[in-house]
Amino acid sequence: GAVVSQHPSRVICKSGTSVKIECRSLDFQATTMFWYRQFPKQSLMLMATSNEGSKATYEQGVEKDKFLINHASLTLSTLTVTSAHPEDSSFYICSARDATGAGLNQPQHFGDGTRLSIL
Amino acid sequence: AQSVTQPDIHITVSEGASLELRCNYSYGATPYLFWYVQSPGQGLQLLLKYFSGDTLVQGIKGFEAEFKRSQSSFNLRKPSVHWSDAAEYFCAVAPYSGGGADGLTFGKGTHLIIQP
Repeated sequence: GAVVSQHPSRVICKSGTSVKIECRSLDFQATTMFWYRQFPKQSLMLMATSNEGSKATYEQGVEKDKFLINHASLTLSTLTVTSAHPEDSSFYICSARDATGAGLNQPQHFGDGTRLSIL
Repeated sequence: AQSVTQPDIHITVSEGASLELRCNYSYGATPYLFWYVQSPGQGLQLLLKYFSGDTLVQGIKGFEAEFKRSQSSFNLRKPSVHWSDAAEYFCAVAPYSGGGADGLTFGKGTHLIIQP
């Protein structure tokens, strides 16, 4: 079945560091990917929509200069948390929409998430 | 803007008993509805989805959900739960943009506990 690989699965770093998270679709092309954030024991919140070859679309309240998104190829989107601080600690999950099918046959597949801890 | 309400934060069910998880949505157009399951520290697994057609949708692991437009509901059911069903369950709604669902709006989740 379709697989989305998210890397790293866990990262711990010092405050002020920038952290890059990768989201790869392994066996399908994804013109659109989505980034979500999940606080402990809470729901997932859509942060941004990443479109291959164009600028990402950010949800209201999400700082685009803080969370840099790059979708340079049909199989890879990256989220960079710049100058991370403890309040950025969270579980980040990506999903990729399979562009192979037409119409409704473009399901989203989720990665396993990245646990980011900023000390 | 769309929204999803899962009124039950926690549900405890005995193994072998039936299960129903409630989900109500608010969306101006025809909704694209999903149920996902998440195990601790893991990503999301799609159980089932609905956009059109038969309002009773069959999913994986023996789950089903029924879309009721008049009640704006999309409740998840399973006739007999197993201990391995213990997890967090999320209902989600998304706009449809021709090629598929756009970014999802999730409910707050229901934590399912299975009693032996």
